[in-house]
Amino acid sequence: LAKTTQPISMDSYEGQEVNITCSHNNIATNDYITWYQQFPSQGPRFIIQGYKTKVTNEVASLFIPADRKSSTLSLPRVSLSDTAVYYCLVGDRVGDDKIIFGKGTRLHILP
Amino acid sequence: EAQVTQNPRYLITVTGKKLTVTCSQNMNHEYMSWYRQDPGLGLRQIYYSMNVEVTDKGDVPEGYKVSRKEKRNFPLILESPSPNQTSLYFCASSLASGEADRQYFGPGTRLTVT
Repeated sequence: LAKTTQPISMDSYEGQEVNITCSHNNIATNDYITWYQQFPSQGPRFIIQGYKTKVTNEVASLFIPADRKSSTLSLPRVSLSDTAVYYCLVGDRVGDDKIIFGKGTRLHILP
Repeated sequence: EAQVTQNPRYLITVTGKKLTVTCSQNMNHEYMSWYRQDPGLGLRQIYYSMNVEVTDKGDVPEGYKVSRKEKRNFPLILESPSPNQTSLYFCASSLASGEADRQYFGPGTRLTVT
């Protein structure tokens, strides 16, 4: 399992685009990158997953450069309700049954 | 509605009194897992199960037991709880072990051991 490093916390304002970067220097060939969102006192919720280049869904975009040693979660036009902790996970979808979440990035959206 | 349920949601108990936190999913998922969450430490995996009768230790298994007799249920057992097991516990499931990174989480169980 590749270790990930994220900023501990970030602040932004409503209406802004927020980018959270995750570093995973030891990512393996078969590893995917997955992001979760967690609101206070709730379980994490899957946001997006990708392997390379760019993935977009109705919630976010995930940018992965060619070397895959980092990834960026992009949240367009955030609102107060996007205040949460965001976790980046890296793992093999076939072989890794143990999951490591890490401490995540606490995103605080200001009015 | 597809969901993971946990019971109880809140529990206050005393040191040494055995307890069980139940977890059930209605999605026919093979993979199930338990996590604990503590301030400053993030989410840590306790045990996981890849299928019925198949369980394995996560990062912090000490003091916990699990069983997987049925596909839908994955109870967490604390044989002799101690105050350092006071935490917020989450159960999660995913379609298969190959989908272990895309999990569905329960609402959490807040446990206090005095």
